[in-house]
Amino acid sequence: GENVEQHPSTLSVQEGDSAVIKCTYSDSASNYFPWYKQELGKGPQLIIDIRSNVGEKKDQRIAVTLNKTAKHFSLHITETQPEDSAVYFCAATPPGWGAQKLVFGQGTRLTINP
Amino acid sequence: EAGVAQSPRYKIIEKRQSVAFWCNPISGHATLYWYQQILGQGPKLLIQFQNNGVVDDSQLPKDRFSAERLKGVDSTLKIQPAKLEDSAVYLCASSHEGTGRNEKLFFGSGTQLSVL
Repeated sequence: GENVEQHPSTLSVQEGDSAVIKCTYSDSASNYFPWYKQELGKGPQLIIDIRSNVGEKKDQRIAVTLNKTAKHFSLHITETQPEDSAVYFCAATPPGWGAQKLVFGQGTRLTINP
Repeated sequence: EAGVAQSPRYKIIEKRQSVAFWCNPISGHATLYWYQQILGQGPKLLIQFQNNGVVDDSQLPKDRFSAERLKGVDSTLKIQPAKLEDSAVYLCASSHEGTGRNEKLFFGSGTQLSVL
């Protein structure tokens, strides 16, 4: 089955700087890669996702890049703000299974220092 | 659009007691999931329902965990008897049907369970 490794487990950056979180996956058949943000006391919320037919996707200050050959994908947050502080999870799943085969990484606790 | 509703928010019980969690998914979402999130880890799927039928319960510890979704809308997850290692946040999620959309999960705020 799929295995997703996420690094780093904790990340601290100064407000206004950029943050990068990296994930690797094991199943070359996986083709959908979402990122979830989990604030304290809340459930994870989808913030961006990418499919394997696309190499990069941007949405305002966040972007995700995918390298299918190396089987890794990354989340980039630019111009970080205090409200970006949260735990971020990457995930991967093969085609045709919906969320049934979705496997999450271990999470990265991001802290934005004012 | 109302989100996924879960209750209670917190529950503290002693080992060997029983506990139940309730979830109401987003209106119109046929697929409902229960996840277990242990502190410091990502969510792990326990069971998936499509309407009122079970799609996948391969990771549900069936000797102590049970779940139902009798009318295809809200769902309950029960643990009986609870063990110390069941301490976790139990998340309910739902998703649309339709190609290209059913991977996107909408999570509730979860129930934090502490087993003493």
